[in-house]
Amino acid sequence: QVQVVQSGAEVKKPGASVKVSCKASGYTFTAYTIQWVRQAPGQRLEWMGYITGNGNTKYSQNLQGRVTITRDTSASTAYMELSSLRSEDTAVYYCSREMIFGVAPFDVWGQGTLVTVSS
Amino acid sequence: DIQLTQSPSFLSASVGDRVTITCRASQAISNYLAWYQQKPGKAPKLLIYAASILQSGVPSRFSGSGSGTEFTLTISSLQPEDFATYYCQQLNTYPRTFGPGTKVDIK
Repeated sequence: QVQVVQSGAEVKKPGASVKVSCKASGYTFTAYTIQWVRQAPGQRLEWMGYITGNGNTKYSQNLQGRVTITRDTSASTAYMELSSLRSEDTAVYYCSREMIFGVAPFDVWGQGTLVTVSS
Repeated sequence: DIQLTQSPSFLSASVGDRVTITCRASQAISNYLAWYQQKPGKAPKLLIYAASILQSGVPSRFSGSGSGTEFTLTISSLQPEDFATYYCQQLNTYPRTFGPGTKVDIK
C-alpha cells in the first residue's frame, strides 16, 4: 500500500544538526512532491518546505538557511536536515506526500519523528 | 503570510450531535482549503480538500463548505472515533499555513 515511513526519534544538543529520513513505497517516488511539516508540543502544524518530483526545493522563510531537503531516488527516500538546533526546534517532524491535484493537499503522512533538543 | 483562525478552539459534544467548525482566512483563498483530523500521538489525516471534496475513504458524515475567507467543516452525527483535533490548511500560497486547531471532546 501507499505509505511513507520515517526514521526514529532523535535527541540532540543545542547547536547540533539532525537528519530525518522518509522512505516512500507503493507509488512512483519521482512523480510526487514530498512536504515536511513540524509540530511543537501543544502547537499548530508548521510548514517547513518541500522537494518536488524533479528535485526542486522550497523552504520556509522562518527556517531559511537552517533547513535542507534532499532525496535519494534510488532509495525512494527523502531527507530533511535541520542545523543549528535550538530548544524551540523540539517537535514532531512529519513528511507527507502532496496529492496530484490542481492545488494539492497532503494525502499520505509519515508516522512522525520526535526530535528533542536538550543540553 | 496568510493567517488562519478557527472557532471554537474547544468543543464539547455528545455522540450523535451535529458539529460545525469554522475557519477564517486573513485574505481570500478561493476554495484552496483542506481539513485534517489529528488524534493524540498520530499524524494528521486528510478529510476534505478544495473546501468541499471528501477524501477517498472518509465517512460521508463529514462535509465542508465555503470559499473566499470563511469555511466550515460539519460532522452531521458525531461518532466516538471522531473525538480529535481538527485543523484547516490554506493551499493558496506558500507558506502553507495551518489553523490553530479545534479540539472536539466528549461531553
